[in-house]
Amino acid sequence: KQEVTQIPAALSVPEGENLVLNCSFTDSAIYNLQWFRQDPGKGLTSLLLIQSSQREQTSGRLNASLDKSSGRSTLYIAASQPGDSATYLCAVPSGGSYIPTFGRGTSLIVHP
Amino acid sequence: GAGVSQSPSNKVTEKGKDVELRCDPISGHTALYWYRQSLGQGLEFLIYFQGNSAPDKSGLPSDRFSAERTGGSVSTLTIQRTQQEDSAVYLCASSARQSSGANVLTFGAGSRLTVL
Repeated sequence: KQEVTQIPAALSVPEGENLVLNCSFTDSAIYNLQWFRQDPGKGLTSLLLIQSSQREQTSGRLNASLDKSSGRSTLYIAASQPGDSATYLCAVPSGGSYIPTFGRGTSLIVHP
Repeated sequence: GAGVSQSPSNKVTEKGKDVELRCDPISGHTALYWYRQSLGQGLEFLIYFQGNSAPDKSGLPSDRFSAERTGGSVSTLTIQRTQQEDSAVYLCASSARQSSGANVLTFGAGSRLTVL
């Protein structure tokens, strides 16, 4: 059974800082890994999906990397803005499955 | 539709009553997932539908929970004899199944269930 851990659980930073959010998982025989954003009281929004054959994906100020052998992924946020404040969730399926297991998330606050 | 639609957005019910939650996935998406998110907790997988295959029900917490998907589209999650611990946000997601693993999940806004 896949277990997903996200560190840190919470983060508060001033605007403009570059951030690294961490995700680790126990079963590395995965099809993909996804990063989501959840705003308070809202559903989840997909940010990036990395397929197992890829090492990273980029979208705007976001860059996600994947190291399957060590069971780790990082989400890098460049030049953070107050609008980035949200909870960031990492989702990883068990080997051979398309059903993601979610981490508990990192709650990010970017203050002006 | 353009996105995943869930209804109702909010449901307050009394302990012991049955509730039905509906999910309308993105047209053409063959995979549909139900999760629940309790206050301060992570997302807990409930059930997964893929095309005409038998659903993966391994996440359903008890036999009071059931789900069906009619015509490969709309899904209904039913909770019988609701308990206070069933209070949570129930989230539905759909994806276009791709063997390459590029199955991006699109989530609905969720149905918030409160059991008094």
